[in-house]
Amino acid sequence: GAGVSQSPSNKVTEKGKDVELRCDPISGHTALYWYRQSLGQGLEFLIYFQGNSAPDKSGLPSDRFSAERTGGSVSTLTIQRTQQEDSAVYLCASSLIPMPNNSPLHFGNGTRLTVT
Amino acid sequence: AQKVTQAQTEISVVEKEDVTLDCVYETRDTTYYLFWYKQPPSGELVFLIRRNSFDEQNEISGRYSWNFQKSTSSFNFTITASQVVDSAVYFCALSEVGGSQGNLIFGKGTKLSVKP
Repeated sequence: GAGVSQSPSNKVTEKGKDVELRCDPISGHTALYWYRQSLGQGLEFLIYFQGNSAPDKSGLPSDRFSAERTGGSVSTLTIQRTQQEDSAVYLCASSLIPMPNNSPLHFGNGTRLTVT
Repeated sequence: AQKVTQAQTEISVVEKEDVTLDCVYETRDTTYYLFWYKQPPSGELVFLIRRNSFDEQNEISGRYSWNFQKSTSSFNFTITASQVVDSAVYFCALSEVGGSQGNLIFGKGTKLSVKP
């Protein structure tokens, strides 16, 4: 079946502009995650959605970052007034159930964001 | 606080050599899960294994094997008779039942290069 789909695959934007990154999780997966991977770094957690519960936003680095998940499926990560330090690969993942069995995360190919 | 340490930033081996990737974790929970993911040059993270904290049995899957030792808080990954296709960045991750941050904390990864 289809995996996690992210769009666009690459995005170049000017400093100060807003960007929207999209994630289509695997159908039926209740949990959706956003991570950020900077060059040479590990994966940095950003935000986590589980069903209809309030999202865990504890990883968002600033109030310029926000995300929503509509209808329990597609998610959009929005970065306002982008800065050069926002340049990274933004990875989306979904899992069938997050707890208690901690089913594995299935990742998309990511969106490579470059802020010039 | 939870933490995952992959002390080896980069490893280079010649094809057919065995190689072990180290992972040390920190957690206060008695119930947790450990994971390994592979990120090939294409960028997509691929799930390799999940192990829960109550199961210390080592696991073997083809050329891959994992050694989980609670006494040393380690979950090491060995590739036997490495192949060029094994070249990738490998991430170890920890998930605490009841934890936040999307349930998954990643190490910074180990880049493995297998040369012919």
